[in-house]
Amino acid sequence: DAKTTQPPSMDCAEGRAANLPCNHSTISGNEYVYWYRQIHSQGPQYIIHGLKNNETNEMASLIITEDRKSSTLILPHATLRDTAVYYCIVKKSGGSNYKLTFGKGTLLTVNP
Amino acid sequence: DAGVIQSPRHEVTEMGQEVTLRCKPISGHNSLFWYRQTMMRGLELLIYFNNNVPIDDSGMPEDRFSAKMPNASFSTLKIQPSEPRDSAVYFCASSFGGSEETQYFGPGTRLLVL
Repeated sequence: DAKTTQPPSMDCAEGRAANLPCNHSTISGNEYVYWYRQIHSQGPQYIIHGLKNNETNEMASLIITEDRKSSTLILPHATLRDTAVYYCIVKKSGGSNYKLTFGKGTLLTVNP
Repeated sequence: DAGVIQSPRHEVTEMGQEVTLRCKPISGHNSLFWYRQTMMRGLELLIYFNNNVPIDDSGMPEDRFSAKMPNASFSTLKIQPSEPRDSAVYFCASSFGGSEETQYFGPGTRLLVL
């Protein structure tokens, strides 16, 4: 699976959009981009995933560049409860590709 | 629906003792994962079950660790004998399908071995 690079930490003001970048320059054509987050003392929580089209759900939006070498997770109106470590994971689909490889992620701190 | 249930939530034991961690996956899910999280190594996959059968146990640290899934609604991770370096948070996750689907994580068991 392709390696990902994320900034170690980011800050965001409450109510503003949080834009979390992820670089995955070695991604291959059949690899998806997944985002999970881990709030302190809780298990990781799935947020969103995509292949090449932009995706949106009730939690966030995922913007993938046309060359697929990077992506951005957008939390449109960050709240204090969004303070967490956010993990960008690149993973193939199907067959034996069940393993989620968590890196160090980005610690997002939402400030009042 | 209830999420993934893990017990105990916290465990403190002495070196050499046997430790058993328990997991109840989400009903209907056929894949179960055990992960371990430490500050030094982050989140690591220990073992993966599909339809109650262990598919990949390459992440299990050593013979002191064993995992079972006797039925679709229950799994255990056992450490015998436990050592201080086993201190970590152990997460169980389940999914409907192993490779395609979202993994749902439990709250974790925080293990401290003295």
